[in-house]
Amino acid sequence: AQSVTQLDSHVSVSEGTPVLLRCNYSSSYSPSLFWYVQHPNKGLQLLLKYTSAATLVKGINGFEAEFKKSETSFHLTKPSAHMSDAAEYFCVVSGSGSARQLTFGSGTQLTVLP
Amino acid sequence: ETGVTQTPRHLVMGMTNKKSLKCEQHLGHNAMYWYKQSAKKPLELMFVYNFKEQTENNSVPSRFSPECPNSSHLFLHLHTLQPEDSALYLCASSQTAPIPGLSYGYTFGSGTRLTVV
Repeated sequence: AQSVTQLDSHVSVSEGTPVLLRCNYSSSYSPSLFWYVQHPNKGLQLLLKYTSAATLVKGINGFEAEFKKSETSFHLTKPSAHMSDAAEYFCVVSGSGSARQLTFGSGTQLTVLP
Repeated sequence: ETGVTQTPRHLVMGMTNKKSLKCEQHLGHNAMYWYKQSAKKPLELMFVYNFKEQTENNSVPSRFSPECPNSSHLFLHLHTLQPEDSALYLCASSQTAPIPGLSYGYTFGSGTRLTVV
C-alpha cells in the first residue's frame, strides 16, 4: 500500500520570501506524485505532477517540486511567495489498484504575511 | 463547457429532506469519484466508479446513495442526513493509466457546500 506524509500542517512565510512545503511518501512500486492546491471553498487544482520522467517538475504559478527517490521525498518549493499563494496544499501519491486511486496527504495550510 | 461541473454549488437541507448532487465531466475520462471534505479533517474518499461500475464504497452510510448512469455523469442521492454530514462534497474524474502506479491525476469540480439543518 502507498502512503504520504505532509510534515507541516501550517507554514507561514512573508511575501517575497521562499516557500518550502515538505512531503514524504511510501510506495512499493514507482508511483506518480502530485501537488494540488485548494483555495477557500473551491475544488482542488493540480499544481504539478511527477510520472517518472524528469525528477525536477515545474508547475503552474512558479511552483516546482523535486522527486528524490533515495529520500522518498517530493517537496514543493517556490522562490518568492505571493499573497495569492495563501491556500491549502495537498501532496498526493498514486495507487496500483484497478482505478489507480490517489492517496492524499492531510494538507499544509500556507499563510503569506504582507 | 469543459472540465468537471458540479451542481448545485450550495445546498441547505433539513434532516428529513431528499436531495441529489450532480457531477458531469466533459473530459472523456472513464473513472469518477465522490469525496467528502469536512473542516479540520482529511479528504475522505466515498465512492469510486470505473466504467460505470462501482469499484469502491468506503463504508459510507446508506443515507448516501451514488448513481453513475454513464461515464460522464455521477450523482449522489441524499436522504435523512445528519448535521455531521455538513461538508464540501467534491467530485473528480480521471483516465486510468495502463501501468500500475502510473496516474495522470484527477480533475476536480468546484464542489457542493452542503449544510444539514
